[in-house]
Amino acid sequence: DTEVTQTPKHLVMGMTNKKSLKCEQHMGHRAMYWYKQKAKKPPELMFVYSYEKLSINESVPSRFSPECPNSSLLNLHLHALQPEDSALYLCASSQDFTFGYTFGSGTRLTVV
Amino acid sequence: AQSVTQLDSHVSVSEGTPVLLRCNYSSSYSPSLFWYVQHPNKGLQLLLKYTSAATLVKGINGFEAEFKKSETSFHLTKPSAHMSDAAEYFCVVSLSGGYQKVTFGTGTKLQVIP
Repeated sequence: DTEVTQTPKHLVMGMTNKKSLKCEQHMGHRAMYWYKQKAKKPPELMFVYSYEKLSINESVPSRFSPECPNSSLLNLHLHALQPEDSALYLCASSQDFTFGYTFGSGTRLTVV
Repeated sequence: AQSVTQLDSHVSVSEGTPVLLRCNYSSSYSPSLFWYVQHPNKGLQLLLKYTSAATLVKGINGFEAEFKKSETSFHLTKPSAHMSDAAEYFCVVSLSGGYQKVTFGTGTKLQVIP
């Protein structure tokens, strides 16, 4: 299995909703990542879970919170989002930073 | 600190003609370099990577890239463009030492004209 699986593929949520994005990999990779990508821009790193340690991009607002139930799963909990949070959210995993990432196909999030 | 510059935001080629997507990097140390492709509304897919082995790197779908230290470049090429190559391409530089050292270029949109 050489895939990163993200669910759901599309999500529309109101600004008062709570939702979660899910990401799963079965490649034995020890690092998993959440990226946010706005249209016509490169991905921006939000969170890294590597070797059981969570690292956070300090510019990410607290309405986004990651959770890593085990080494194969990385969730992203969403609460009280703003319309500007609408974007493609990409999950990735890697064996090592020098090996490159395997990306999921993303969740297209729209906040209304 | 490291940086990466993709010299063209948009490249247009005719089907069957060569593709050249340019990438220059800046790094104080020996970097790892990657090219990723992203089709519309999809995730990124790794095309190829350079990690200090052979300077000419072959990737998937007929793409290759040459690491030129003297020119600090890692340009992506393909001898003959196919319609399915139309996508966004990202050059990425990575230094050892952690995720903080991964930098994405701004991307190059490749258009293939039939």
